[in-house]
Amino acid sequence: GQQVMQIPQYQHVQEGEDFTTYCNSSTTLSNIQWYKQRPGGHPVFLIQLVKSGEVKKQKRLTFQFGEAKKNSSLHITATQTTDVGTYFCAGLSSSNTGKLIFGQGTTLQVKP
Amino acid sequence: DGGITQSPKYLFRKEGQNVTLSCEQNLNHDAMYWYRQDPGQGLRLIYYSQIVNDFQKGDIAEGYSVSREKKESFPLTVTSAQKNPTAFYLCASTFDRGPGYTFGSGTRLTVV
Repeated sequence: GQQVMQIPQYQHVQEGEDFTTYCNSSTTLSNIQWYKQRPGGHPVFLIQLVKSGEVKKQKRLTFQFGEAKKNSSLHITATQTTDVGTYFCAGLSSSNTGKLIFGQGTTLQVKP
Repeated sequence: DGGITQSPKYLFRKEGQNVTLSCEQNLNHDAMYWYRQDPGQGLRLIYYSQIVNDFQKGDIAEGYSVSREKKESFPLTVTSAQKNPTAFYLCASTFDRGPGYTFGSGTRLTVV
């Protein structure tokens, strides 16, 4: 079945350093979504990418969708302690099953 | 304010008992989902429903049951057949065309 792999599983950075998490799907995706889950909280939707090669920015966060629509990345510039949490990518299969498949997540720790 | 409400926040179950987790949304969303989250892991889909009176099994449906009698409600029953039910359960909803899932705050189920 469809799988979405995310790396790294954990990342510790010093405040001010950059951070990137990568997401790869075994199948072509119709879209990819990113979520953030704060410690003890629930996932919160950040953004959706639909087009091949699409790049979107939200302040210090940059999201990319690969040309083949099978991979994606989230880059955070100059991390802050408020960025702490687990970032999940989630892919919607182009076969339109209606199911969103989540990656395992990348947990970011930021040292002040 | 619109949102998705899960209750209870914490639930303790004795072995052999069935328990039901509540999920209610007032967002007029069409689709609703149940995910299970274990420590250090991503979200795994248990069941989902795209319209009232219809639902489909996700990747880990064994030992669980659901109903969708109303658009607003999608309760999940964890049956005694589920051998390892201790986990964090998340309910989500979305419009048919998205984008993005809205998650409830979750229910932490513990077997005692």
